[in-house]
Amino acid sequence: SSELTQDPAVSVALGQTVRITCQGDSLRSYYASWYQQKPGQAPVLVIYGKNNRPSGIPDRFSGSSSGNTASLTITGAQAEDEADYYCNSRDSSGNHLFGGGTKLTVL
Amino acid sequence: QVQLQESGPGLVKPSGTLSLTCAVSGGSISSSNWWSWVRQPPGKGLEWIGEIYHSGSTNYNPSLKSRVTISVDKSKNQFSLKLSSVTAADTAVYYCARFIVATFWNWFDPWGQGTLVTVSS
Repeated sequence: SSELTQDPAVSVALGQTVRITCQGDSLRSYYASWYQQKPGQAPVLVIYGKNNRPSGIPDRFSGSSSGNTASLTITGAQAEDEADYYCNSRDSSGNHLFGGGTKLTVL
Repeated sequence: QVQLQESGPGLVKPSGTLSLTCAVSGGSISSSNWWSWVRQPPGKGLEWIGEIYHSGSTNYNPSLKSRVTISVDKSKNQFSLKLSSVTAADTAVYYCARFIVATFWNWFDPWGQGTLVTVSS
């Protein structure tokens, strides 16, 4: 399947840990990258590769992968982490794929 | 630090052609990266449109390939998107982004701020 599947919505209590998942066959061959998007703003890269954070991204964000599933974990979620999160990878033809996005609510 | 800025008409008539340009600053478009267009319909997710390398090589989303042309102007350090035969379904925020390729992983960074294009008569 040339799709990436994400749960539409996830919630987490302030300060707790949350995992956002992304499933797809392409993830067996390529690492996912993860993007945070707040309302009215452009996506921002938060995780790429095996578990790499760009400069300026807090270390509470981490990534992992197993089989056909990639995960973005936020350890100690903060109010400012409330956003939409998208995973991205490539399919076997080299086309870019985005997951449908997960809306994270911090309670 | 590379920055991207989209520009172009915010309103396009149905059956017309959507044309956008992405200006690259703080770096050269001739670097070893791909340059992409991604769109996001209101309230929906991200959709990759296509990408170009400074050599002119392109890759397009199969679902849009028949209507999309992406070109590069190295002299102006910018790249452009043309989407023909537009309908209301093409109404979206259009982003340009740099796509960085490493051996086993790759990523989009940075992104432009995005520009809303509405298809309406």
